[in-house]
Amino acid sequence: AQSVSQHNHHVILSEAASLELGCNYSYGGTVNLFWYVQYPGQHLQLLLKYFSGDPLVKGIKGFEAEFIKSKFSFNLRKPSVQWSDTAEYFCAVKSQGGSEKLVFGKGTKLTVNP
Amino acid sequence: NAGVTQTPKFRVLKTGQSMTLLCAQDMNHEYMYWYRQDPGMGLRLIHYSVGEGTTAKGEVPDGYNVSRLKKQNFLLGLESAAPSQTSVYFCASRRDGNYGYTFGSGTRLTVV
Repeated sequence: AQSVSQHNHHVILSEAASLELGCNYSYGGTVNLFWYVQYPGQHLQLLLKYFSGDPLVKGIKGFEAEFIKSKFSFNLRKPSVQWSDTAEYFCAVKSQGGSEKLVFGKGTKLTVNP
Repeated sequence: NAGVTQTPKFRVLKTGQSMTLLCAQDMNHEYMYWYRQDPGMGLRLIHYSVGEGTTAKGEVPDGYNVSRLKKQNFLLGLESAAPSQTSVYFCASRRDGNYGYTFGSGTRLTVV
């Protein structure tokens, strides 16, 4: 069965610090990969997605993620965080052409201090 | 363009009561999903549908039923609510092909 691991439960940064959130998945086949963000009290919004092609994916709000197939990883990065990036971030994986199940990691809460 | 709309937004139930959560999407999406979100657990798939008239079990289907009588609507039912079903419920939909999922704003359900 697919599973998704997010390495950090809670990350605390100061504004302008760089961010990297880890995500590893377990699935041997071809996958679609997603990062979602959930601002306090709101629903999930898509940050970026990877289906195929260039493994470095750029998303909204200056976020990017790199798919490293050999490491089964899809880490999220941002060079300089802002207070408004305070949110919970979820990595998700779906097997391509297979099950409809989009499997989520448990989430990483990011707190950015001004 | 409303996207994915969930009703109600909040609900308190007593143990043993029943209720139906409604999810409506106006994007003509084929696929629809119900997730529950619990602290430290991420989102877990309850049931999903790959088209009108179809439903399938997800990761945590017990205690829930669903129906997709119309393409735009996906209903989640709790026949006899239990405190363990206290959660935030999210509906999502997507179109066929390589597209992301669109989520609704959630329903916060408390079972006392």
